[in-house]
Amino acid sequence: GAVVSQHPSWVICKSGTSVKIECRSLDFQATTMFWYRQFPKQSLMLMATSNEGSKATYEQGVEKDKFLINHASLTLSTLTVTSAHPEDSSFYICSARESYRGTAAYERVNQPQHFGDGTRLSIL
Amino acid sequence: GQQVMQIPQYQHVQEGEDFTTYCNSSTTLSNIQWYKQRPGGHPVFLIQLVKSGEVKKQKRLTFQFGEAKKNSSLHITATQTTDVGTYFCAGRRGGATNKLIFGTGTLLAVQP
Repeated sequence: GAVVSQHPSWVICKSGTSVKIECRSLDFQATTMFWYRQFPKQSLMLMATSNEGSKATYEQGVEKDKFLINHASLTLSTLTVTSAHPEDSSFYICSARESYRGTAAYERVNQPQHFGDGTRLSIL
Repeated sequence: GQQVMQIPQYQHVQEGEDFTTYCNSSTTLSNIQWYKQRPGGHPVFLIQLVKSGEVKKQKRLTFQFGEAKKNSSLHITATQTTDVGTYFCAGRRGGATNKLIFGTGTLLAVQP
């Protein structure tokens, strides 16, 4: 099955540090990747939608200068948490949707979405 | 904005009992997906429902998509301890929107 690799799985660093998280689709191409954030015992909150070769679309309330997203290829998206502070500590999960080469918009948006293992970020 | 609510938030059952979680969206959905997340793990895709009134089964799990495509349910028959985890529904609206909006989740605890 489709595999999404997310690295690193766990990060502990000092306040003020910038942290980069990588999300790779290993055996499929992903035009679109998504970044979620999950606080303990809560649901996944969509942060941004990352499209290959274009700027990411951020959800309301998510600072684009704080959470930099780069989607330079069809198999890699990165999320950089800049100048991280304790309140940025969370579980970050990426998801990749398989690319669809057809023309039907209905089929394109219904392509399977696969999740990475997540990254636990702890800022001291 | 679009909201997807699930009830109950938490359910504790004895092993062998049935379990159901309900998912309700404030807007019509083009499709709905269900995920299971074990404690400390990431969401694992279970199934996708697309058609109005669709019912799908996976062994002891039965998934249903409402006629109006605004609600869904997951029913587990004769729960086992391996069913423990949080079950999330996640829906997409129609049109060009490609965002998957997660429900609030239902945490299932199964006592042996």
